[in-house]
Amino acid sequence: DTAVSQTPKYLVTQMGNDKSIKCEQNLGHDTMYWYKQDSKKFLKIMFSYNNKELIINETVPNRFSPKSPDKAHLNLHINSLELGDSAVYFCASSQGNSDNQPQHFGDGTRLSIL
Amino acid sequence: AQTVTQSQPEMSVQEAETVTLSCTYDTSESDYYLFWYKQPPSRQMILVIRQEAYKQQNATENRFSVNFQKAAKSFSLKISDSQLGDAAMYFCAYRAYTGTASKLTFGTGTRLQVTL
Repeated sequence: DTAVSQTPKYLVTQMGNDKSIKCEQNLGHDTMYWYKQDSKKFLKIMFSYNNKELIINETVPNRFSPKSPDKAHLNLHINSLELGDSAVYFCASSQGNSDNQPQHFGDGTRLSIL
Repeated sequence: AQTVTQSQPEMSVQEAETVTLSCTYDTSESDYYLFWYKQPPSRQMILVIRQEAYKQQNATENRFSVNFQKAAKSFSLKISDSQLGDAAMYFCAYRAYTGTASKLTFGTGTRLQVTL
């Protein structure tokens, strides 16, 4: 029944490694997002895809590469992880053509860089 | 660019009492959406209430209601009959009306404590 699911929920890794976070939604939405929540709880948009097309890219370093194989999936790959990448990453989805519908969030992935 | 400001980093309320969380925003748009999200310690982002800017009537959802003042660009959340389960971070968010993939712009959050 999970609407937006992210895996893994927790990710602990060393600086310099490459890691991926997966996101899937079963709501039939056509738009998906990645948000980053820093240690001060501030949430900020990173990327958005609409029907597999990149719509929003908010000055995120090139080390972050989203990939959308289909409109139900939006994965986030991060190269050469840095200490500052430690955060909680949230995936979300919405029906882009119905702006009165809210975004549904996943439970977040806590990424910790050692 | 749109900005959302929550001027209260922390608030406290006694159980069964009423509390109001403040939110102001800045936009040049005339049509947009406003949301309040709740983030409990489990870190889920849960939609509490939403308001369409073109509607004059304030949104209500059970014990939650908003005071939407469009001219003042203010969108406060009132929680009535507070319960222990209301303790969480509350985020105010803005979303543009147009566009197929409008992002949410969040405020910095207000941590609400509920005491016995």
